[in-house]
Amino acid sequence: AQKITQTQPGMFVQEKEAVTLDCTYDTSDQSYGLFWYKQPSSGEMIFLIYQGSYDEQNATEGRYSLNFQKARKSANLVISASQLGDSAMYFCAISPYNFNKFYFGSGTKLNVKP
Amino acid sequence: GAGVSQSPSNKVTEKGKDVELRCDPISGHTALYWYRQRLGQGLEFLIYFQGNSAPDKSGLPSDRFSAERTGESVSTLTIQRTQQEDSAVYLCASSLGVTGFEKLFFGSGTQLSVL
Repeated sequence: AQKITQTQPGMFVQEKEAVTLDCTYDTSDQSYGLFWYKQPSSGEMIFLIYQGSYDEQNATEGRYSLNFQKARKSANLVISASQLGDSAMYFCAISPYNFNKFYFGSGTKLNVKP
Repeated sequence: GAGVSQSPSNKVTEKGKDVELRCDPISGHTALYWYRQRLGQGLEFLIYFQGNSAPDKSGLPSDRFSAERTGESVSTLTIQRTQQEDSAVYLCASSLGVTGFEKLFFGSGTQLSVL
């Protein structure tokens, strides 16, 4: 069974500051992928970043980085230098190696203040 | 097409009516998923298609829900005898379906409102 937990329903951050969105997971699979998606008010789901369970280095994509701590089963998203356009819902997801299901967390609503 | 296309973007229906939602995945993507997202909630897995394999229907909430896919192209999600609790955004996603780790490409969703 797979489970994703996002404990922060809402977050505020000042523009240009960094913010960390928490994600913990539970899985019995040895091989899996972790994903973060952004959902602006328009409703579209936008892929941000991916981390494989066997990747030793934390993934980075521009202003996004993933703080992967395998032993603690956490995959926190770090957004550096927040921008007003970062205001959105953020979802963490896990997919076991056979990728037939992506399990999503309940999301964190991020508000960036000017 | 350039992205995953869903239609209609909005659907208002009366309780008890049947509705059909359409998803056109990215060309060449063999994997296709349907998710449901209730207001303010996360994504709930409904069904998964991979090539010509039998679909994984384990997420369908009741026998009023069904889905089909023609080969590796268009998919339709049908909800029979709609109920008010079916009101949600229905999201379709596709991926290449080749390796173990691939990101999903999502459509813009169909907002279903059951009156």
